[in-house]
Amino acid sequence: GAVVSQHPSRVICKSGTSVKIECRSLDFQATTMFWYRQFPKQSLMLMATSNEGSKATYEQGVEKDKFLINHASLTLSTLTVTSAHPEDSSFYICSASAGNGYTFGSGTRLTVV
Amino acid sequence: DAKTTQPPSMDCAEGRAANLPCNHSTISGNEYVYWYRQIHSQGPQYIIHGLKNNETNEMASLIITEDRKSSTLILPHATLRDTAVYYCIVRLNYGQNFVFGPGTRLSVLP
Repeated sequence: GAVVSQHPSRVICKSGTSVKIECRSLDFQATTMFWYRQFPKQSLMLMATSNEGSKATYEQGVEKDKFLINHASLTLSTLTVTSAHPEDSSFYICSASAGNGYTFGSGTRLTVV
Repeated sequence: DAKTTQPPSMDCAEGRAANLPCNHSTISGNEYVYWYRQIHSQGPQYIIHGLKNNETNEMASLIITEDRKSSTLILPHATLRDTAVYYCIVRLNYGQNFVFGPGTRLSVLP
């Protein structure tokens, strides 16, 4: 079946640094990928829609200059958390369309110290 | 906002059937019902989806009422590994992202 690979699975970074998270569709092409964020004991919240070859669409309240999204190919989208702060610590998950449904990555646990 | 309502939590004995209800009274005619689950600290896993007819696969069965205002996900023989948060989502089949509600936290008990 369709597989979405997300890397890294967990990362710890210092406050003020930037972190890049990769989302790859391994056996299919994805013109659109979605990035979600999940805080402890809460549900997934959509952050942005990543479109191959064009600018990402951000949900209300999500800073586009802080969460940089690049979707340069049909199999790779990246999310860069710039100048990370402790409040950015969260579980970040990507997904891509494969057939009738969406396949989700395994998530990235970001801890900013 | 999510267009579905689910009970926040349920318990089920190991080996018994787990029946997870979902209310989607405002579903439109061309929206599908999807079920995903999320095991702790993992990404959501697809379970099943349907439009009008009941569906069954190797993981579960989906029973959709005739008026489509509610559905039930059935795990026929729950195991401890089925402990997870189960999300019921309605969406068009193409184009829309998934809007997650709080889901149902299913605990399978030994």
